Amino acid sequence: GAGVSQSPRYKVAKRGQDVALRCDPISGHVSLFWYQQALGQGPEFLTYFQNEAQLDKSGLPSDRFFAERPEGSVSTLKIQRTQQEDSAVYLCASSLGPGPNTEAFFGQGTRLTVV
Amino acid sequence: GNSVTQMEGPVTLSEEAFLTINCTYTATGYPSLFWYVQYPGEGLQLLLKATKADDKGSNKGFEATYRKETTSFHLEKGSVQVSDSAVYFCALIANAGGTSYGKLTFGQGTILTVHP
Repeated sequence: GAGVSQSPRYKVAKRGQDVALRCDPISGHVSLFWYQQALGQGPEFLTYFQNEAQLDKSGLPSDRFFAERPEGSVSTLKIQRTQQEDSAVYLCASSLGPGPNTEAFFGQGTRLTVV
Repeated sequence: GNSVTQMEGPVTLSEEAFLTINCTYTATGYPSLFWYVQYPGEGLQLLLKATKADDKGSNKGFEATYRKETTSFHLEKGSVQVSDSAVYFCALIANAGGTSYGKLTFGQGTILTVHP
């Protein structure tokens, strides 16, 4: 497809379960971002990749969160031992390259509910 | 740190009414400013942007002017339509020191509902 694709769209996890969220960015996009959006809030930055290099992971809330982009295209966000506070929509965005003015294209997100 | 504050919502208007959604920011350097929109069931989309002071971004009848003196980027539209019903997010990309990879800092969002 032409846009950013995320899967699954919805995920229900039992507390303590591990989950993996997938992002397929727009082909050729160098930059890839993950954001977390709690209910009624704006998205908050989690991590940034430039090609396969994870250049900023300052927004990851704990060491239970891990992201990778091994071949510089598809990215996976993994959450280990999920907790109820992890319930949120996880958004992936990609852009042509780094810079303050490049447009970011967002996927529809994965809604994670931890029960 | 960098932050964006949007007016409290939700906002409910009748069709053809005038819209203003206030946005102020705190950032070091000269950030780039954006408005993103999220229509029901869809992902975030860029609505408009401005990259330097006094720039006006515009798209689909919406406008916003980068006001450095008041650190504001208010969104306006002269005549809203039912199809404008969505959640609107103000955001910035900090550009301190001339280096930035594009990390967005968002406001909390404003829900707009337009009635016929």
